[in-house]
Amino acid sequence: SQQGEEDPQALSIQEGENATMNCSYKTSINNLQWYRQNSGRGLVHLILIRSNEREKHSGRLRVTLDTSKKSSSLLITASRAADTASYFCATYLLYNFNKFYFGSGTKLNVKP
Amino acid sequence: EPEVTQTPSHQVTQMGQEVILRCVPISNHLYFYWYRQILGQKVEFLVSFYNNEISEKSEIFDDQFSVERPDGSNFTLKIRSTKLEDSAMYFCASSASGGNTGELFFGEGSRLTVL
Repeated sequence: SQQGEEDPQALSIQEGENATMNCSYKTSINNLQWYRQNSGRGLVHLILIRSNEREKHSGRLRVTLDTSKKSSSLLITASRAADTASYFCATYLLYNFNKFYFGSGTKLNVKP
Repeated sequence: EPEVTQTPSHQVTQMGQEVILRCVPISNHLYFYWYRQILGQKVEFLVSFYNNEISEKSEIFDDQFSVERPDGSNFTLKIRSTKLEDSAMYFCASSASGGNTGELFFGEGSRLTVL
């Protein structure tokens, strides 16, 4: 499979703590994106990082990309109960036109 | 804010029946996608569509599946003869510029239950 795979599958933390999720992939990418899904809802785009970028920030989100290790991480700082959701990475492959691969997601539970 | 809309939100059908799932992408978007998700598990790519034709499809997207853009606004997914294993959430997504530079906007999904 060329899909991104998130790790861990599930993560439970207290409000105020940081949450880190990892994504690994297998082939060269053009960019990698992170999405969030509330239970039973559609996916919502969070952040995009290009293959020539190493780190990107958006509010409480920090994404890193290591193309040599074919991995990315999503850090949510000062988590809130409202951050409870599943988080997916999506890879847009080099040389593959118009196809995104999603992983299985990390289910994050933030306890109030 | 523009959004992708999908209908129906939930459809129950008998095995062997045909199902059409409908999507209205964001109006100025050019790239369209169908994904499915079984029981909150991984999000699986089915097909992408650009310039009125399929641009990529997965091994899941066999002869039972078809897509079309009948009227320039709707984007439909047809399953000709449903199987039990087709039960899933089906998500439509659209993008202004494709994955090279832009994000995908997802609808809220259509839950398909095959009995």
